[in-house]
Amino acid sequence: GAVVSQHPSWVICKSGTSVKIECRSLDFQATTMFWYRQFPKQSLMLMATSNEGSKATYEQGVEKDKFLINHASLTLSTLTVTSAHPEDSSFYICSARDRRTNTGELFFGEGSRLTVL
Amino acid sequence: DAKTTQPTSMDCAEGRAANLPCNHSTISGNEYVYWYRQIHSQGPQYIIHGLKNNETNEMASLIITEDRKSSTLILPHATLRDTAVYYCIDPNSGNTPLVFGKGTRLSVIA
Repeated sequence: GAVVSQHPSWVICKSGTSVKIECRSLDFQATTMFWYRQFPKQSLMLMATSNEGSKATYEQGVEKDKFLINHASLTLSTLTVTSAHPEDSSFYICSARDRRTNTGELFFGEGSRLTVL
Repeated sequence: DAKTTQPTSMDCAEGRAANLPCNHSTISGNEYVYWYRQIHSQGPQYIIHGLKNNETNEMASLIITEDRKSSTLILPHATLRDTAVYYCIDPNSGNTPLVFGKGTRLSVIA
């Protein structure tokens, strides 16, 4: 099946710094990618929809100025957590749909664990 | 909100079949039912999906009721590595994201 890769898989940063997470579709093009966040013992929660060449669409309660999303190409979306604070510590997961298929299957990255000290 | 309901947790003895039920009573006629699982600290892993007919692949079997309001994921011979949270998802059609419910936490016991 299609492959989605995230980098880094884990990152530790100091409070107030910014962290960038990359999401790549390795063998297919994705006009849309989705970013999820998962806190311990909770389910995945959708943060935003990343659209290639246009602005991302954010879910209610997600600050667009804090979680900057850039989808500059059909194979790469980036999520930047700006001025990170300990409460932003979470597991961030991206996903994409292979537009060549019409079944709706989503392919997920391995996840990026962010720890803000 | 997720459009499916699943039991919160289940236990299964190693080597036995694990049957995980899911209710998706509001599914529309052209929507697939998807099953994913998430092993601790990993991204969700696709398992199987189906529309009307029962499906089988190398990982699992999917039994869908005739009215399509529920389905059962079957892991025929559960192993310890199958311990994970299993999500049944009724996606919207088109280019929309998957909405995850709380899933079923399956514990395979030796």
